[in-house]
Amino acid sequence: SSELTQDPAVSVALGQTVSITCQGDSLRSFYASWYQQKPGQAPVLVIYGKNNRPSGIPDRFSGSTSGNTASLTITGAQAEDEADYYCNSRDSSGNHLGVFGGGTKLTVL
Amino acid sequence: QVQLVQSGSELKKPGASVKVSCKASGYTFTSYAVTWVRQAPGQGLEWMGWINTNTGNPTYAQGFTGRFVFSLDTSVSTAYLQINSLKAEDTAVYYCARDANWADAFDIWGQGTMVTVSS
Repeated sequence: SSELTQDPAVSVALGQTVSITCQGDSLRSFYASWYQQKPGQAPVLVIYGKNNRPSGIPDRFSGSTSGNTASLTITGAQAEDEADYYCNSRDSSGNHLGVFGGGTKLTVL
Repeated sequence: QVQLVQSGSELKKPGASVKVSCKASGYTFTSYAVTWVRQAPGQGLEWMGWINTNTGNPTYAQGFTGRFVFSLDTSVSTAYLQINSLKAEDTAVYYCARDANWADAFDIWGQGTMVTVSS
């Protein structure tokens, strides 16, 4: 199976823009999906595919990929965006969505 | 609305078994696979595997073979995770999630079930 690497922690000033990255060889072939998890809650899908947001996800969330790196960008971060963020993609076989990144804790200052 | 509702928290002794349920509503259960994800205390998300809700065929990730069993009861739109011979290191929150293959993502998650293994 492949691995996805995320920075453990990132901070952003209120209202500013922040990118959370996810690196892995599988991202050269498959898109990453991104999940937001707040303390004591289940993960919530925020970005999937090339750059798609499920219904109800604010448009300040966007996604992109370059080479082996996927990025989740929050433009104009809000206090409620403080959470853990996880990327996910297929494993090296491409058969399963079997790989999660280690997660990034986002702090909004 | 579309949702997955899981069974409540469990406290078990080492060596016992536990069965967690994940009931789907608001959509055709057999149209989407169900994935199971583990989250140990203070740790990240770990993919355990998935079950094909049409065939009942399970696929287990490395590290989740042998003691872990995925099953279904399609008559009540419910997926199950059974863990046998529980160990202290099985203490975690277990999530089920809908595998939306059109999105290549897990679009609906259950609320999670805390399983605590302690003597």
